[in-house]
Amino acid sequence: AQKITQTQPGMFVQEKEAVTLDCTYDTSDPSYGLFWYKQPSSGEMIFLIYQGSYDQQNATEGRYSLNFQKARKSANLVISASQLGDSAMYFCAMREGPGNTPLVFGKGTRLSVIA
Amino acid sequence: KAGVTQTPRYLIKTRGQQVTLSCSPISGHRSVSWYQQTPGQGLQFLFEYFSETQRNKGNFPGRFSGRQFSNSRSEMNVSTLELGDSALYLCASSLGDSGNTIYFGEGSWLTVV
Repeated sequence: AQKITQTQPGMFVQEKEAVTLDCTYDTSDPSYGLFWYKQPSSGEMIFLIYQGSYDQQNATEGRYSLNFQKARKSANLVISASQLGDSAMYFCAMREGPGNTPLVFGKGTRLSVIA
Repeated sequence: KAGVTQTPRYLIKTRGQQVTLSCSPISGHRSVSWYQQTPGQGLQFLFEYFSETQRNKGNFPGRFSGRQFSNSRSEMNVSTLELGDSALYLCASSLGDSGNTIYFGEGSWLTVV
């Protein structure tokens, strides 16, 4: 079974609008961390935001926020005030357990911002 | 603060050859992980090194190997290259604990012809 599911292969958003990228995860471990990365066409994976399973509040980093719904096992990324430079692939990833376990990635969502 | 540095950025190899990729982590980071990214399989974990020891390993054949030096720099090697090894190889750097400090480099684009 897929541990990370990103159901939107591609999305379009108008410049200056907000957009939500979906991510659901599957784990039975009570301790886990959820990550979002941005990958432009250059290939670099750029860290955006992190949410720990025990964090009480939703994570925010500038224009990025994470809508963490633990009971539904979802960790959606919200980008506010989209910019043309936000056009890229976005990956949701999870690390299970308390140790330094590997990241498991979803298949990604390609976001295109339209002027 | 310097980020994660991967070299070379692009390379083309012939089937049967071997290749070595290098990764210099962020200063102070002791863990280096390698991932392979292909259009078909997505991002897959190769292995992780911490303090010169392989701590985790993914499901890849023995042709894929790695090592870490005392300064935390890491290399990965792929021997007897196959066409299917064509991929973006990404290196991730972290402190080595279970926190949220995982940063990636720009990757090495490998094409096998």
